[in-house]
Amino acid sequence: NAGVMQNPRHLVRRRGQEARLRCSPMKGHSHVYWYRQLPEEGLKFMVYLQKENIIDESGMPKERFSAEFPKEGPSILRIQQVVRGDSAAYFCASSLQSNTQYFGPGTRLTVL
Amino acid sequence: QQQVKQSPQSLIVQKGGISIINCAYENTAFDYFPWYQQFPGKGPALLIAIRPDVSEKKEGRFTISFNKSAKQFSLHIMDSQPGDSATYFCAADFGNEKLTFGTGTRLTIIP
Repeated sequence: NAGVMQNPRHLVRRRGQEARLRCSPMKGHSHVYWYRQLPEEGLKFMVYLQKENIIDESGMPKERFSAEFPKEGPSILRIQQVVRGDSAAYFCASSLQSNTQYFGPGTRLTVL
Repeated sequence: QQQVKQSPQSLIVQKGGISIINCAYENTAFDYFPWYQQFPGKGPALLIAIRPDVSEKKEGRFTISFNKSAKQFSLHIMDSQPGDSATYFCAADFGNEKLTFGTGTRLTIIP
């Protein structure tokens, strides 16, 4: 049973470009979460989605960031017009129904 | 308040010793407390978790102790091994499925 998959693993963008991060949850999981981790810090919640619905986006910046989890396909975290401060590791987690969240390997975004 | 405070920031333990990491929380609505282990360049992996209706949970060499009245919980790693060297994060949730993480403890096990 494959775990949570994220791609790309590393992403380099120049300031002003768009970044698209993909997450495929574990088989059978319908809950997806995105977290951001700055160097030497803990993970910060960004958004919680179920299929075709955003449940909680209280941790997501109001501008430039958006997330979706369509009926078919992976969840996408989209960052428009990236700035240097967006450089971080972005982790996706999935769960079945309980609290237990399983994390993917992360996407490390570097903004030049 | 939804903070989770974790200490120490870093910890060095001799092989075979006991590693102890502590966390404290403020929101009494938290009802699920997992610990995650993270190796460099990898995602966090669930290690062990506890709910506040029990005071202790043990899985192999890993034990969570939970003190509801003090709003504290801790991770004990018995017989610590070099392979346990990693960053450990405590976290808390109160049913809204939004994990609040501590700041992490970098554990180093020396021979």
